Amino acid sequence: GAGVSQSPSNKVTEKGKDVELRCDPISGHTALYWYRQRLGQGLEFLIYFQGNSAPDKSGLPSDRFSAERTGESVSTLTIQRTQQEDSAVYLCASSLAGGINYEQYFGPGTRLTVT
Amino acid sequence: DAKTTQPPSMDCAEGRAANLPCNHSTISGNEYVYWYRQIHSQGPQYIIHGLKNNETNEMASLIITEDRKSSTLILPHATLRDTAVYYCIVRADRGSNYKLTFGKGTLLTVNP
Repeated sequence: GAGVSQSPSNKVTEKGKDVELRCDPISGHTALYWYRQRLGQGLEFLIYFQGNSAPDKSGLPSDRFSAERTGESVSTLTIQRTQQEDSAVYLCASSLAGGINYEQYFGPGTRLTVT
Repeated sequence: DAKTTQPPSMDCAEGRAANLPCNHSTISGNEYVYWYRQIHSQGPQYIIHGLKNNETNEMASLIITEDRKSSTLILPHATLRDTAVYYCIVRADRGSNYKLTFGKGTLLTVNP
């Protein structure tokens, strides 16, 4: 079946602009996660959705970052007034439900470059 | 969650077994050892996990020492497609255990 898809695959934007990154999870997966991976670094958790609610937004680095999920499906991560330090690969993952017993399936990521 | 330590890089010949070590000396009794890998330009992929017994699946085997302070991921017959960064993490079966937090992992290069 279809895996997690993300769009765009690459995004180059000028400092100060807003960007929207999209994630389409695996159908039927109630849990959705956003992560960030800076060049040569590990994975940083950003936000967790259970259904359309986000019980854990603790990883969002600033109030310029926001995310929403609708229809218990697609999710959008929005970064306002982008800064150069926002440059990274943004990864989305989904799982059947939240918790350690449910494997997270990752999308290919969106590579964001802020110039 | 307990911290893990992995070598930054390893090489392996194609067709040979790749043995990737991981130290997790502060692991607690309710914490699992998980392995993921990330092939270049792709998202991370789950490989295997275990608590205290050795585990095997179609991808790999996981050997956990009796004291659980270290483990080894074994790819029995490495192929060029196994070239990737391998991450060993420890996850507790409680709290915010949905969060995956990786360090820098081990870059495994499989050579022809």
